This record gives sequence, structure tokens and C-alpha cells, in this order.
Amino acid sequence: GEDVEQSLFLSVREGDSSVINCTYTDSSSTYLYWYKQEPGAGLQLLTYIFSNMDMKQDQRLTVLLNKKDKHLSLRIADTQTGDSAIYFCAEKTGGSYIPTFGRGTSLIVHP
Amino acid sequence: SQTIHQWPATLVQPVGSPLSLECTVEGTSNPNLYWYRQAAGRGLQLLFYSVGIGQISSEVPQNLSASRPQDRQFILSSKKLLLSDSGFYLCAWALGTGYEKLFFGSGTQLSVL
Repeated sequence: GEDVEQSLFLSVREGDSSVINCTYTDSSSTYLYWYKQEPGAGLQLLTYIFSNMDMKQDQRLTVLLNKKDKHLSLRIADTQTGDSAIYFCAEKTGGSYIPTFGRGTSLIVHP
Repeated sequence: SQTIHQWPATLVQPVGSPLSLECTVEGTSNPNLYWYRQAAGRGLQLLFYSVGIGQISSEVPQNLSASRPQDRQFILSSKKLLLSDSGFYLCAWALGTGYEKLFFGSGTQLSVL
């Protein structure tokens, strides 16, 4: 069955880059997403990438996709305290209405 | 622009009491609608989704039910709450175009005591 795995915690110093990693098992995944959840709030879509892309950059965010290894990463440049949140990786195949979410990575940014 | 409203934000209910959580979407038509539960601030469990009025798919058999009485209204209910129903409930919508970018409501923190 489908599975999305993420490490649970990542701690970085303010100003450094953060790299959050995700692996998935479904080789037919077509769309891959990164969501951000701040405490007590809903999830916010940060960015997404199609499976025929290797990289997508949006301001401080860079998404890298290694389709061969089924590995997705989110790099946040110049990490700020406001980036502290839980980051969810999700994937979806073309024929499904339902994205599969990872368990989320808690990013802790310290001074 | 599209917006999603979910209420209440916080709810404390005794065991055995009924539940009704409501979610409405504005600014779009015929959205796909979803109910998720997040336990202890971690992981998302899909409870129900709907691709149209009166069409409900259940992902996990449990003490809850969902209804979609109108195109942009999605309701999560229970006749008798259990302690294990405590959690953070999230409603979401998507356009149903295939990309399925989900847009989430602000969530309801339910505590069953």
C-alpha cells in the first residue's frame, strides 16, 4: 500500500538552511506536496511538484524530487523563527482524490 | 476568492453526548470535501470524503458519520461520543481537478471528558 515517511523532528539555528526529507513508496505518484501547520491551526499548502519535474524553487523554498529513489525534500533557506511548524509531505496518484500524508516533521528554529 | 469556515474552534463534550461539526466553503462550486482527524498534534487520519451532494465515502469505520446536505456544506456527526474521539478535526476542500491541492479550515479541537 501507499506509505509516506518523514523524520519526526528537525532542529536548526536561525539563519541556517533547513532540509526536510520525505520518502514514499508508490511509484505511480504523480503529485507531491509540502504543507505547513502552525500550532493550533490547519494545514497550509506551501508548494507542490509534478512527478515529471526534478526541482521547483519559490523564494526561500526549494523542492527536490528524486523519482528513482522516491525521495522528496524541502529546503528552507535562511530559516527564521517564524518557520517553526510541522511540515507534512504528501503524495497522490493521478487517479485518486486522496493525497497520502506523512506524519509530519516538527521544525524547531532556535536563536 | 475561496474561503473555508469551520466551527466551533474548541469544543469540550462529555462522553455519550452527540456531536456536530460544520464546515462550509465559499467561492467555489462542487468542491471535493474532506474530514481529517489529527490525534495528539501528529499525523492526519482521513475520516470521510465527498465528491458531491449526498455522496460520502468513509475511510475508517468508527463512531462518526458525515453528511453533505448542500454543495458547499460538510457536517461531521456522532450520536454518542467516546473518549477516543478526542482530537483535532480538520475540514478541507479541493477543486477535484486531479491536482487535489487541499485547502484546510482552521480546525476544531475536541476534548471528550
